[in-house]
Amino acid sequence: QSVLTQPPSVSAAPGQKVTISCSGSSSNIGNNYVCWYQQLPGTAPKLLIYDNNKRPSGIPDRFSGSKSGTSATLGITGLQTGDEADYYCATWDVSLTAWVFGGGTKLTVL
Amino acid sequence: QVQLVESGGGVVQPGRSLRLSCAASGFTFNSNSMHWVRQPPGKGLDWVAAISYDGANKYYADSVKGRFTISRDNSRNTLSLVVNSLRPEDTAVYYCAREVYYGTGAHFDSWGQGTLVIVSS
Repeated sequence: QSVLTQPPSVSAAPGQKVTISCSGSSSNIGNNYVCWYQQLPGTAPKLLIYDNNKRPSGIPDRFSGSKSGTSATLGITGLQTGDEADYYCATWDVSLTAWVFGGGTKLTVL
Repeated sequence: QVQLVESGGGVVQPGRSLRLSCAASGFTFNSNSMHWVRQPPGKGLDWVAAISYDGANKYYADSVKGRFTISRDNSRNTLSLVVNSLRPEDTAVYYCAREVYYGTGAHFDSWGQGTLVIVSS
């Protein structure tokens, strides 16, 4: 059972938009910045979003992040088949004094 | 460019120990906190441990506290994780990751390719 809650899976057609939610509490998301990682099959995770809504160099603006209270959301527009991957949210938990990850969301582009 | 290369994984019997290493290059190693994150087969990411840039502060997940020890050698640009009293549920790919902090939130901007640990009799 992950400290951060994500939907196990989401799906949408190519070109469409999808959002992935990440729900936490006041000790983690409510108290800290959220980052998002993309993990393509068989590869290491890759930073997608940091500080709730910032994109590292090289990440297209099709990817966006937001945070409100104790929840965060990853948005992906203009879906491509290459976006099929697992997506994870993460942040620091001040009560646990530990980093916590969401359980991951598998994106399928139909 | 930043490169992190893990090694030391393998098949080990329950109760035994293993030492994982992560060789870092392409950045000033002693400027960043470093982490270990694991991923059991077919499951999600699970944070394991962290160490501050100078080795003075260490943090562990409750599931590994007392069994795992994180350390670093800044003179050799190497991060280590000694894993003792291994259990079948420790079976996972172990990744090392670099933490960066720009004054707001921290995050892991670089990851190694991982090293697989299988705990089995």
